[in-house]
Amino acid sequence: GAGVSQTPSNKVTEKGKYVELRCDPISGHTALYWYRQSLGQGPEFLIYFQGTGAADDSGLPNDRFFAVRPEGSVSTLKIQRTERGDSAVYLCASSALGGAGETQYFGPGTRLLVL
Amino acid sequence: KQEVTQIPAALSVPEGENLVLNCSFTDSAIYNLQWFRQDPGKGLTSLLLIQSSQREQTSGRLNASLDKSSGRSTLYIAASQPGDSATYLCAVTNTNAGKSTFGDGTTLTVKP
Repeated sequence: GAGVSQTPSNKVTEKGKYVELRCDPISGHTALYWYRQSLGQGPEFLIYFQGTGAADDSGLPNDRFFAVRPEGSVSTLKIQRTERGDSAVYLCASSALGGAGETQYFGPGTRLLVL
Repeated sequence: KQEVTQIPAALSVPEGENLVLNCSFTDSAIYNLQWFRQDPGKGLTSLLLIQSSQREQTSGRLNASLDKSSGRSTLYIAASQPGDSATYLCAVTNTNAGKSTFGDGTTLTVKP
């Protein structure tokens, strides 16, 4: 596709439920990043994939959060037993190879609201 | 742990003014610094990427400078327009793997 796409654009769920958020990176990009952005704050790093593997998952807040990228393209961020504090915009970005000299291209985000 | 600060948090200027947005970071061992624009309810759009070996980058009316030793960057916007109204975020990368640390942004309003 022309850019990074994310689905759904909005997700409302109840506390304790399980949610999945999907990211389609730019075709051919090997690096994929997940960030979380709370209102009025900058994005906070969650996890970085290089191909199919999670190269850095140091930003995942706890074991309720998990992400996969089984074929090296689409990625899914999974949140178990959601809490109200998980409400935020979840942003996905991709870059061609993942090097520090590359521009990261962001998707529009998924707005998650946990009631 | 890298910390990125952006001052001011909000800025309002009349159309046509030149303006400067500031970004500071605590760990100067960075690989690059990037400025992004974010419109309300939207994702981030990259404006300028400065490598650690560079001092500045320019694109149209935008000029970004980097002083790694002092941990500072500025984004200069010339002849501001109402369409420049948005939140501007800076982000630094401390590893060679692209993971970025963001500031909280400066929300700019340019009044016609």
